[in-house]
Amino acid sequence: KNQVEQSPQSLIILEGKNCTLQCNYTVSPFSNLRWYKQDTGRGPVSLTIMTFSENTKSNGRYTATLDADTKQSSLHITASQLSDSASYICVVMGKTSYDKVIFGPGTSLSVIP
Amino acid sequence: NAGVTQTPKFQVLKTGQSMTLQCAQDMNHNSMYWYRQDPGMGLRLIYYSASEGTTDKGEVPNGYNVSRLNKREFSLRLESAAPSQTSVYFCASSRGTALMNTEAFFGQGTRLTVV
Repeated sequence: KNQVEQSPQSLIILEGKNCTLQCNYTVSPFSNLRWYKQDTGRGPVSLTIMTFSENTKSNGRYTATLDADTKQSSLHITASQLSDSASYICVVMGKTSYDKVIFGPGTSLSVIP
Repeated sequence: NAGVTQTPKFQVLKTGQSMTLQCAQDMNHNSMYWYRQDPGMGLRLIYYSASEGTTDKGEVPNGYNVSRLNKREFSLRLESAAPSQTSVYFCASSRGTALMNTEAFFGQGTRLTVV
């Protein structure tokens, strides 16, 4: 069973618009959650990290939220740019051991002019 | 500062052939990791090395071996390639001993096709 699920699978938006990506997880016990951006043909790059006690974290136009009670996180992108076109991956870490770092399948975002 | 460098970027193998994927980091990180990324799935950990001289299995280690040659280099070997090993392979490193507790840096990936 996939312990980290992301929606939508893919998304197309117009340049300048906002969008929100969703991440639901069942990893337990939970330590922290990170959002990565992966450009085509490149490795993932970290955007934000939140521990279970944090509700929101911003990085420029990217704002991540976390609800540890419902086990949901979202990544909101404001005033999208063409360079935001990428895959966005939600990664959840459990309390112990490396095999509790679970990567979601990602949401593919395309920003068009 | 190159960060994490993987070679090669692309490789095509025939079933049964062997090869080694190379990874080097210049950030003096303690921990290094090998992941594979398949369509529709999240990255899955193959092997990791928490420090020089140590290696441990991850989620999908079968068919692979690794060597932590020194602090900088962590290689992944396929002894007898199978079509199921067609994937994009990523090497990563982090300063700390847990991937998520300190920022992880990824290489650009190796796209491997086994025919």
